[in-house]
Amino acid sequence: EVQLVESGGGLVQPGGSLRLSCAASGFTFSSYSMNWVRQAPGKGLEWVSYISSSSSTIYYADSVKGRFTISRDNAKNSLYLQMNSLRDEDTAVYYCARVQNRYYGMDVWGQGTTVTVSS
Amino acid sequence: NFMLTQPHSVSESPGKTVTISCTRSSGSIASNYVQWYQQRPGSSPTTVIYEDNQRPSGVPDRFSGSIDSSSNSASLTISGLKTEDEADYYCQSYDSSNWVFGGGTKLTVL
Repeated sequence: EVQLVESGGGLVQPGGSLRLSCAASGFTFSSYSMNWVRQAPGKGLEWVSYISSSSSTIYYADSVKGRFTISRDNAKNSLYLQMNSLRDEDTAVYYCARVQNRYYGMDVWGQGTTVTVSS
Repeated sequence: NFMLTQPHSVSESPGKTVTISCTRSSGSIASNYVQWYQQRPGSSPTTVIYEDNQRPSGVPDRFSGSIDSSSNSASLTISGLKTEDEADYYCQSYDSSNWVFGGGTKLTVL
């Protein structure tokens, strides 16, 4: 079964840091690009960051550029999101999602991990 | 960057047909594929349409997608509405290293 499982969410103070992980299984992880997408409470979906299969291409949304870092370890079938200088507005459920580069859509989503930034 | 605009909410009765629009603010709607995701309360998004009008396996043919260059918009049509179709629906497209989502449409089947 194709599966993505996020972890690492939690409560953090403004200005703090958190590292999210996404464990992939059931498919050849090293062949796929990946996205992080977030959803603030009661709000819509917002794309956060993209990484290509070999990590050679990385993109960030303007809202997180300079504060978040995406990475992956294909040997461990894992995707990461290092989040620094966290703000209240980063509070959201964070999803990892597999990207189909043929059409730039996402065909597999994890269950999400919740990040709460609050003092 | 462009925006994708969706109606905030739509409602329709079981058995009827509903169409949700997604209008691109700049650039051609045809320049990049449009996807549609369904998100039920408390669940992750799932794809109901990709590449403008393709259905993933397992998605019933009651779901269809299209694009209209004259209005620069995409549409998701759900026919034979069922109560289980009640959910939030998001359109999504891509351009210049950015993935863009519409604001979402809450579909109520009453």
